[in-house]
Amino acid sequence: QVHLVESGGGLVKPGGSLRLSCAASGFTLSDYYMSWIRQTPGKGLEWVSHISRGGATTFYADSVKGRFTISRDNAKNSLYLQMNSLRVEDTAVYYCARDQSYSWFDPWGQGTLVTVSS
Amino acid sequence: EIVMTQSPTTLSVSPGERATLSCRASQSLNNNLAWYQQKPGQAPRLLIYGASTRATGIPARFSGSGSGAEFTLTISSLQSEDFAIYYCQQYNIWPPYTFGQGTKLEIK
Repeated sequence: QVHLVESGGGLVKPGGSLRLSCAASGFTLSDYYMSWIRQTPGKGLEWVSHISRGGATTFYADSVKGRFTISRDNAKNSLYLQMNSLRVEDTAVYYCARDQSYSWFDPWGQGTLVTVSS
Repeated sequence: EIVMTQSPTTLSVSPGERATLSCRASQSLNNNLAWYQQKPGQAPRLLIYGASTRATGIPARFSGSGSGAEFTLTISSLQSEDFAIYYCQQYNIWPPYTFGQGTKLEIK
C-alpha cells in the first residue's frame, strides 16, 4: 500500500528554521517526482516545491524561493523540506505528495502543521 | 500564473440528487486538470485527472468533463460520504501548479 508520512512540524518563531521529512513506503521513491504542498484557511492549497526523481532538478513557488530547499534521499525513501527565514505567512499544514510526472498529485500524506508565531 | 476559479463557493444538495461543480481557468488547459476531494481532518484525495479520467478506486458516480478553460465535476446520486470540499488543479503550465479555492458540498 502506497503511504506517505510527514513529520517535523511544530511551533517556530519568525526568522527561525524547521526541517520537514516525508517517509515513503509501498513504492520505489526513485521512480517518482515529488512535491510539497501547503494549505491555509485563508489561501487554500498552494504548491510549494517540486523535485525530480534523482534530485537534480527543483522548482519553487515564488513565495518560498531562496528560503526553502527541497531534497530527497532515495536510499532512505525520504523527502525533505528545509525551511529557513520563516514568516508568519508560512503557517500552514504541509503535505508531501507523489507528483505523477509533472501533473497531478497522488497520493498525499496526512500533513504536518507548521506554526510561525512569536 | 494560471488562476483557477471555482463556483459556487458552497453548494447545498440533498442526498440522492446530482451535484455539478464548476472550475474555470484563466487560460486554456489542454485538459491538464485534476479534481480532488477533501474531508475534514484529511488530506486531499485524487478523484479525476486528465479532466475526465477517474483515479483508481473512484466510484463511477464521479465524472469529469469540459475542455479549454471550463471544466465540470458531476456527482450523480449523492451519497452521505460525498459531502466534502472539492478542489480543481491545473498542471498545463507550471511552475507553479495552481489550485482553485474549493467548493464546499453540503447536505441540504
